[in-house]
Amino acid sequence: QKEVEQDPGPLSVPEGAIVSLNCTYSNSAFQYFMWYRQYSRKGPELLMYTYSSGNKEDGRFTAQVDKSSKYISLFIRDSQPSDSATYLCAMKGGNTGKLIFGQGTTLQVKP
Amino acid sequence: GAVVSQHPSRVICKSGTSVKIECRSLDFQATTMFWYRQFPKQSLMLMATSNEGSKATYEQGVEKDKFLINHASLTLSTLTVTSAHPEDSSFYICSARETGRSSYNEQFFGPGTRLTVL
Repeated sequence: QKEVEQDPGPLSVPEGAIVSLNCTYSNSAFQYFMWYRQYSRKGPELLMYTYSSGNKEDGRFTAQVDKSSKYISLFIRDSQPSDSATYLCAMKGGNTGKLIFGQGTTLQVKP
Repeated sequence: GAVVSQHPSRVICKSGTSVKIECRSLDFQATTMFWYRQFPKQSLMLMATSNEGSKATYEQGVEKDKFLINHASLTLSTLTVTSAHPEDSSFYICSARETGRSSYNEQFFGPGTRLTVL
């Protein structure tokens, strides 16, 4: 079993839709949870960074962490074609601080 | 701020040759840099952690003699793929963590290097 599971999609939505992206994980030592956006053939860029359980909002993006269920989500409101990219969840904790990534979900927002 | 560059962005080489990829932190010092590999439609997999002035720490299953890492300064780490083979073709991405920051602070990622071995 992978430490972090993420549905690779692809996910296709119309412009303006609310997008929900999710990851599950198995390691209860994870304490820091991140969402990265990666455009084709580019490096990942950090979107959201959350410590422990709870919600965090930044503009059209909301990150949720439920440590009891080992489940994290990223919501994108009023999705735009420019949001089309691969979204990677990542998490770290324990002693190493090593980042563990999900497989990434490919999102396409159609105009 | 917090820009990480990689060079080259794309490289094609013949099987059996060696390829060097550079990772630079442009506006901050980075004691620790990380090297990842990403296959198509797959996640980033950590290959090794590079520390300035000391030997790199390799992840399980990564051959240290094949993937040579040198972190000679606080702004530069290099990854050399020795005797490259077609199965080494991948997208190699580095990241850097600012000196003085804890392991729980953000890593800044480079744009990646696409390696194709013929």
